Amino acid sequence: EDKVVQSPLSLVVHEGDTVTLNCSYEVTNFRSLLWYKQEKKAPTFLFMLTSSGIEKKSGRLSSILDKKELFSILNITATQTGDSAIYLCAVVPNAGNNRKLIWGLGTSLAVNP
Amino acid sequence: DADVTQTPRNRITKTGKRIMLECSQTKGHDRMYWYRQDPGLGLRLIYYSFDVKDINKGEISDGYSVSRQAQAKFSLSLESAIPNQTALYFCATSDPRQGGTDTQYFGPGTRLTVL
Repeated sequence: EDKVVQSPLSLVVHEGDTVTLNCSYEVTNFRSLLWYKQEKKAPTFLFMLTSSGIEKKSGRLSSILDKKELFSILNITATQTGDSAIYLCAVVPNAGNNRKLIWGLGTSLAVNP
Repeated sequence: DADVTQTPRNRITKTGKRIMLECSQTKGHDRMYWYRQDPGLGLRLIYYSFDVKDINKGEISDGYSVSRQAQAKFSLSLESAIPNQTALYFCATSDPRQGGTDTQYFGPGTRLTVL
């Protein structure tokens, strides 16, 4: 059965800390991996990763994919209270036109001042 | 203006009532999705549609139905609402022809409470 597992489930840090969030997957046919940030309401798109070893960056956030070991990490440096959110990982299977995302349960990050 | 909109944003209803949640998008995407989100269960797919004539069941379609009225509109109905359908409902859109990805873009969500 295809699945996506995120760890840790929750994390509490202080402003300025660096955090690493993990997403591992077992998917029959892998196409891409997506990271989303969910604050109070809808998830907002962060990154899409398709190739191993190529880091995607956006400000203090970065992410990389390892297709051999079947995982991705999301790094946040110099965390701020505005980074507090649930971070969701999803995998897009490569199953022709019938591609439904497989979601992890998310990592809840709390950044304290 | 938001690209993906949902109405209503909040709804409280009683068991047995028929409820319709609506989703509209201005992104020009062919694919639309309905999810529900419950604490500890993540996002679960209810129905999805890859074009106006295409409707597919997701993981948890029982008790729900959908209608794709146009490329831009996808509505979700609860024919007879029950309390365990209390959840946060999201609509999303995607189109792999745009940028070669299938990234999904979410609406703001509808919080539904069934008493």
